[in-house]
Amino acid sequence: DSGVTQTPKHLITATGQRVTLRCSPRSGDLSVYWYQQSLDQGLQFLIQYYNGEERAKGNILERFSAQQFPDLHSELNLSSLELGDSALYFCASSSPGSREETQYFGPGTRLLVL
Amino acid sequence: GQQLNQSPQSMFIQEGEDVSMNCTSSSIFNTWLWYKQDPGEGPVLLIALYKAGELTSNGRLTAQFGITRKDSFLNISASIPSDVGIYFCAQSWGSNYKLTFGKGTLLTVNP
Repeated sequence: DSGVTQTPKHLITATGQRVTLRCSPRSGDLSVYWYQQSLDQGLQFLIQYYNGEERAKGNILERFSAQQFPDLHSELNLSSLELGDSALYFCASSSPGSREETQYFGPGTRLLVL
Repeated sequence: GQQLNQSPQSMFIQEGEDVSMNCTSSSIFNTWLWYKQDPGEGPVLLIALYKAGELTSNGRLTAQFGITRKDSFLNISASIPSDVGIYFCAQSWGSNYKLTFGKGTLLTVNP
């Protein structure tokens, strides 16, 4: 158990809909990272938050957004869903200091868009 | 952008055998990380390497950060059935620490 929690575990929805994925980082970690894993693209970085502020963006679509709340949990919002958004979505967290690249992953949310 | 080349793509071995897999990159990085992912689960951190030449062990796992800072290998000794899974190498770059992952090595262990 990495200490990172994600809900829900599975999500099935229809094209055009909007969903929210939730992540709680490990106790004491200030950084939250979101990744998408698909068969064709592998594990891809989406976005990072540090202590409530957006720090870095990767290949995140404009239809996707995220935020980190004062209690440090984070939500990833996916809107106008398309079939190709079906994937595993992971969040990871790391602690402040010199080894922030050492990230611990949650169990993921499997999204299926029908 | 940077690319990580991970090989082999898959391996089929007998229980008890040793395994070696590696990653190479086109650029120099400061950190190599090795993760294992079981089906439907999140990647689990196995070993983190922070310095060129560093050799680190975690039980039956050993990983090294190449001297050129462009490669790393992971060895598993005396494999057991629960070693089955996908192994990923990853690197961080830039001041925001986002990870770039290799395509993974699928390991199958025959009991």
